Amino acid sequence: KQEVTQIPAALSVPEGENLVLNCSFTDSAIYNLQWFRQDPGKGLTSLLLIQSSQREQTSGRLNASLDKSSGRSTLYIAASQPGDSATYLCAVMDSNYQLIWGAGTKLIIKP
Amino acid sequence: EPEVTQTPSHQVTQMGQEVILRCVPISNHLYFYWYRQILGQKVEFLVSFYNNEISEKSEIFDDQFSVERPDGSNFTLKIRSTKLEDSAMYFCASSENSIGYTFGSGTRLTVV
Repeated sequence: KQEVTQIPAALSVPEGENLVLNCSFTDSAIYNLQWFRQDPGKGLTSLLLIQSSQREQTSGRLNASLDKSSGRSTLYIAASQPGDSATYLCAVMDSNYQLIWGAGTKLIIKP
Repeated sequence: EPEVTQTPSHQVTQMGQEVILRCVPISNHLYFYWYRQILGQKVEFLVSFYNNEISEKSEIFDDQFSVERPDGSNFTLKIRSTKLEDSAMYFCASSENSIGYTFGSGTRLTVV
């Protein structure tokens, strides 16, 4: 059974720092891996989708990598801003086309 | 940019009552999903829907749950007799190709 783990559970950094969020999964048989952002009490915003054949995806200050063989993904945020404060969720799409989710990393960027 | 719309944003209901959560997916999308997130827990898959029928469902999606696409635009989740443990944020999503999802902003269901 696929399990997705995100480390750390929470992270607080000063504005302007670069940071890395980690995601690991137990079964490498995935179709893709997606990173989402969730603001308190709000919906889920898709940030980046990496297909299983890809190694990384970039969008603005965000870069996500995927190492399927080792079951790991990282989300790199460059030059962090207070507006980046949110919970970041990692989800893998399994062989049934279902998303299996991590518990998230709660990120706080201090001005 | 096209959106998935969910209504209501917050629903409070008494235990044992029926609730219907509503979703309007993106118009050209063919795949529809319901996920839920109990407060402080992971997001969990409930059901996927394609071609007017359920394609996959999880163990959570028992006989108390049903989904329907009553017309060309709405996609609903019905809980027949709500329990306290059904309290959660319910997210609807749609997809053009079953790969990239667009999620709605969610309905917070509180069962009292």
